[in-house]
Amino acid sequence: QVQLVESGGGLVKPGGSLRLSCAVSGFTFSDYYMSWIRQAPGKGLEWVSYISSSSIYTNYTDSVRGRFTISRDNAKNSLYLHMDSLRAEDTAVYYCARGAEDIDYWGQGALVTVSS
Amino acid sequence: SYELTQPSSVSVSPGQTARITCSGDVLAKRYARWLQQKAGQAPVVVIHKDSERPSGIPERFSGSSSGTTVTLTISGAQVDDEAEYYCYSAADNSVLFGGGTRLTVL
Repeated sequence: QVQLVESGGGLVKPGGSLRLSCAVSGFTFSDYYMSWIRQAPGKGLEWVSYISSSSIYTNYTDSVRGRFTISRDNAKNSLYLHMDSLRAEDTAVYYCARGAEDIDYWGQGALVTVSS
Repeated sequence: SYELTQPSSVSVSPGQTARITCSGDVLAKRYARWLQQKAGQAPVVVIHKDSERPSGIPERFSGSSSGTTVTLTISGAQVDDEAEYYCYSAADNSVLFGGGTRLTVL
């Protein structure tokens, strides 16, 4: 069955960096766009970024553009989100998801806390 | 920029029909999807392409679309359906989420 498992979350100081990973299984990873979506504590869902199946296309929400980088390794069935210059408002659970316009599977999420 | 607007809360008694709306100009030209998120859990897709139900989702969940509004209908709502429901759609090379609707069944 389709599985998406995030890792790499944790506590980081403002201005710091973190890299999230998402290991997938149960489908042909290289056939799908992939996305990162986040949810701040007690808040709604916010799209962060997506990447095309062959990494040609990427896009970001305005608040993270220039600070976050999405990437993937199709040989390793893995999706990544490299986050730089982290701010308190980036504190959230970050979900890895299959698809972009039509997301159909979600991971369980990784908590990122930005605090001094 | 586009926005998707949902009511913040909907309440029904068990067995009643719950309807949750989502409005936005982008819905006139793009599909909407609906997510169910229970407390402490990851979201689950309950409706995609406005009205299609993924396998494994109970038949009491249905979706419809009219102009710039889409509606999630839960016929015969159960206590287990209590959750936050989000609509979302694609627009301008990004993905939009509605603010979420808290469904209470009691």
